[in-house]
Amino acid sequence: DSGVTQTPKHLITATGQRVTLRCSPRSGDLSVYWYQQSLDQGLQFLIQYYNGEERAKGNILERFSAQQFPDLHSELNLSSLELGDSALYFCASSVAETLAYNEQFFGPGTRLTVL
Amino acid sequence: AQSVTQLGSHVSVSEGALVLLRCNYSSSVPPYLFWYVQYPNQGLQLLLKYTSAATLVKGINGFEAEFKKSETSFHLTKPSAHMSDAAEYFCAMSGGSNYKLTFGKGTLLTVNP
Repeated sequence: DSGVTQTPKHLITATGQRVTLRCSPRSGDLSVYWYQQSLDQGLQFLIQYYNGEERAKGNILERFSAQQFPDLHSELNLSSLELGDSALYFCASSVAETLAYNEQFFGPGTRLTVL
Repeated sequence: AQSVTQLGSHVSVSEGALVLLRCNYSSSVPPYLFWYVQYPNQGLQLLLKYTSAATLVKGINGFEAEFKKSETSFHLTKPSAHMSDAAEYFCAMSGGSNYKLTFGKGTLLTVNP
């Protein structure tokens, strides 16, 4: 158990809908990262937050957004869902802003299926 | 731009045999390199990391990796495979002010009895 929790574990929804994925980082970790894992694209970085502020952006679509709250939990919002958004979404957390001496701890993921 | 290439999407070994999973990287800044393992229906777990100290890095479960700058490689090895090593393995990199991890496509390791 990494200490990172993600809810829900599974999510099935229809095209055009909007969903929210939730992540609670390990106690004491200030950085939260979101990744998408799909068969065709592999593991891709979406976005990072550090202590409530956006720090880095990767291949995140405009239909997707995220935020980190004062209690440090984070939410990833996916809207106008398409079939291609079906994937496993991971949250990871680390103590520091950079990765120089701190590893990222991954949650178990949320499997999103868009029908 | 940074990139990570894992040679071989699927590696199959016999129990007790040497495990060698290959990873090459491309980076314009000194990289930090990681190997993660993903068991079925689980998240990623860190096996080991290279952060510019020793070039030979020892990790959990008997795995180790050697950073070779001249070959831009960070191959993962284990002298003797165990059935419990069957999983998908990901090589990843970060560097400079780049906070994110760039992952390779992954290598599925199968261990045959």
